[in-house]
Amino acid sequence: AQRVTQPEKLLSVFKGAPVELKCNYSYSGSPELFWYVQYSRQRLQLLLRHISRESIKGFTADLNKGETSFHLKKPFAQEEDSAMYYCALSLLGETSGSRLTFGEGTQLTVNP
Amino acid sequence: GAGVSQSPRYKVAKRGQDVALRCDPISGHVSLFWYQQALGQGPEFLTYFQNEAQLDKSGLPSDRFFAERPEGSVSTLKIQRTQQEDSAVYLCASSLAGSGRALHGELFFGEGSRLTVL
Repeated sequence: AQRVTQPEKLLSVFKGAPVELKCNYSYSGSPELFWYVQYSRQRLQLLLRHISRESIKGFTADLNKGETSFHLKKPFAQEEDSAMYYCALSLLGETSGSRLTFGEGTQLTVNP
Repeated sequence: GAGVSQSPRYKVAKRGQDVALRCDPISGHVSLFWYQQALGQGPEFLTYFQNEAQLDKSGLPSDRFFAERPEGSVSTLKIQRTQQEDSAVYLCASSLAGSGRALHGELFFGEGSRLTVL
């Protein structure tokens, strides 16, 4: 069965510091990985997906199949990055559409 | 707005009551998902619809949970004889994409319905 692990429930950094939110997954198939973000009083929304290889709001994430990781990184954190971040895995090839398995989330706080 | 709309936003129920939660997906979106999010946890999959067909209900925790999407648009999640452990935020999400290897569209989430069972 698939599983997503985010080892840090809380992460606090200062503005301008680098930030890395960890995500590890277990799945025997070919995964598609995502990061979703929920800002205060807003709905859950897609931040980025590994297949797009894009940088959104300065964040990047590289899929490392050897380490089964998909860590989210940003070189210089901003206060507006404070939010709850969820790593999620999608089951490629299944009949369940874009069904996602989420990690428990990491609350990022960027202090001024 | 054109986003996913859920109602009610908040629901307080006495143990044993039945509740119904409504989801209006984005117009034209084929896929619709229900997730349950307990306090301090990530969302957990409940069920999936492609148009009006319920293709996966493996995440429904018990037979007290029932979901439908009769016309392939609005969906209702019904919980019968609510229990305290049903207290959670129920999230609905829709996607333009349907099933299939090549179709993994972005999920658009609603704001959720927060259910508290006393």
